[in-house]
Amino acid sequence: QVQLQESGPGLVKPSETLSLTCSVSDGSISSYYWSWIRQPPGKGLEWIGYIYYSGSTNYNPSLKSRVTISVDTFNNQFSLRLSSVTAADTAVYFCARRGRSGSYPQYYYYMDVWGKGTTVTVSS
Amino acid sequence: DIQMTQSPSSLSASVGDRVTITCRASQSISNYLNWYQQRAGKAPKVLIYAASSLQSGVPSRFSGSGSGTEFTLTISSLQPEDFATYYCQQSYSTPGTTFGQGTKVEIK
Repeated sequence: QVQLQESGPGLVKPSETLSLTCSVSDGSISSYYWSWIRQPPGKGLEWIGYIYYSGSTNYNPSLKSRVTISVDTFNNQFSLRLSSVTAADTAVYFCARRGRSGSYPQYYYYMDVWGKGTTVTVSS
Repeated sequence: DIQMTQSPSSLSASVGDRVTITCRASQSISNYLNWYQQRAGKAPKVLIYAASSLQSGVPSRFSGSGSGTEFTLTISSLQPEDFATYYCQQSYSTPGTTFGQGTKVEIK
């Protein structure tokens, strides 16, 4: 079963750029969409964006101006960069695979594999 | 953007109770609705996709129903391991997506 593992700094200073990587193991990064989702302390889930293994992306409009998601198929990993961070970006950040069920033309998409999450605190 | 609203925000129930959680979409999303369970300190886990399809390995006491704008997640007989927070998610606007705000199921 494919496994995901987030990695990156746990503390980022305000106005700097948050950078995280999700490593995909026991499976290929190919043929799937890969996602970042975050959860502020005590709050709900917020989708940040997707990347397809080919490199095409889609971002949450509320974060689009600050987000970049990239993929490294050679190393089977994808990454998140969030610029100009503030305390409001303090959260647990999860990476996840977007799975698919159904048959053409009606597919159903859901996050079927998740990393354990990594806590990022924005503070000086 | 499609907004997802869950009710209630929290509920208290006992082991063995039947529990129902509702999720409403701000516009019709057909049956493009998923349900997740998140235990404290853990990543979410998909329970139901396509509004009513049970994910492999999920106990049959979980069921989902609905279409259009109103959906329900039902736990037929609450077990100790079911005390958690539940989220709905729409995949109608894929690749974009939105989650509900969550429903916390607590022990009475």
